[in-house]
Amino acid sequence: EVDLVESGGGLVKPGGSLRLSCAASGFTLSTYYMTWVRQAPGKGLEWVSCISTSGTYTYYADSLKGRFTISRDNAKNALYLQMNSLRAEDTAVYYCARDAGSYQDKKDAFNIWGQGTMVTVS
Amino acid sequence: DIQMTQSPSSVSASVGDRITITCRASQGINNWLAWYQQKPGKAPKLLIYGASSLQSGVPSRFSGSGSGTEFTLTINSLQPEDFATYYCQQADSFPLTFGGGTKVEIK
Repeated sequence: EVDLVESGGGLVKPGGSLRLSCAASGFTLSTYYMTWVRQAPGKGLEWVSCISTSGTYTYYADSLKGRFTISRDNAKNALYLQMNSLRAEDTAVYYCARDAGSYQDKKDAFNIWGQGTMVTVS
Repeated sequence: DIQMTQSPSSVSASVGDRITITCRASQGINNWLAWYQQKPGKAPKLLIYGASSLQSGVPSRFSGSGSGTEFTLTINSLQPEDFATYYCQQADSFPLTFGGGTKVEIK
């Protein structure tokens, strides 16, 4: 079964750091672009970051201003999001998600999602 | 950045109704548009990609159309399990962006 499981969320003080992980199973991680999306309490979805299959290319939301870093370890079937200089407005559920197409047919739409991990900055 | 504007922000409907949700992009995105359904406490579910392609396993009462800057999601014969919030997302260029969401409520 195809699955994504996030971990690493929690309570952190403003200015602190946190590293989120996303464990992938049931598919070959190295053939898919992966992304992080967040959702503040009671708010809509916000795209955060995306990474290419090998990790060569990374993309970020403008609002992050260099504070977040996405990475992956295909050998470990894992995706990561390093979050630094955290602010109250970063409080959200963070989802990892898989592209709906493999690297040869990338769609930049996401059909496999994790359950989310909550990050609270306070 | 490409801004995505959804309307309405909420709609009240009854089981069996047909509803249409609109999404407008601030600039042309060809057909690089996706639609998602989200229920409270759950991750989003992909319904439509490429503006009109139905994701595998999604009921055929869901359909998408449009190109350029204006897109629609139509749900025919609304079912009880369709009451949720719907989001559009442009997939044309980074940074990817979502619409603000449309909540479909029971009348």
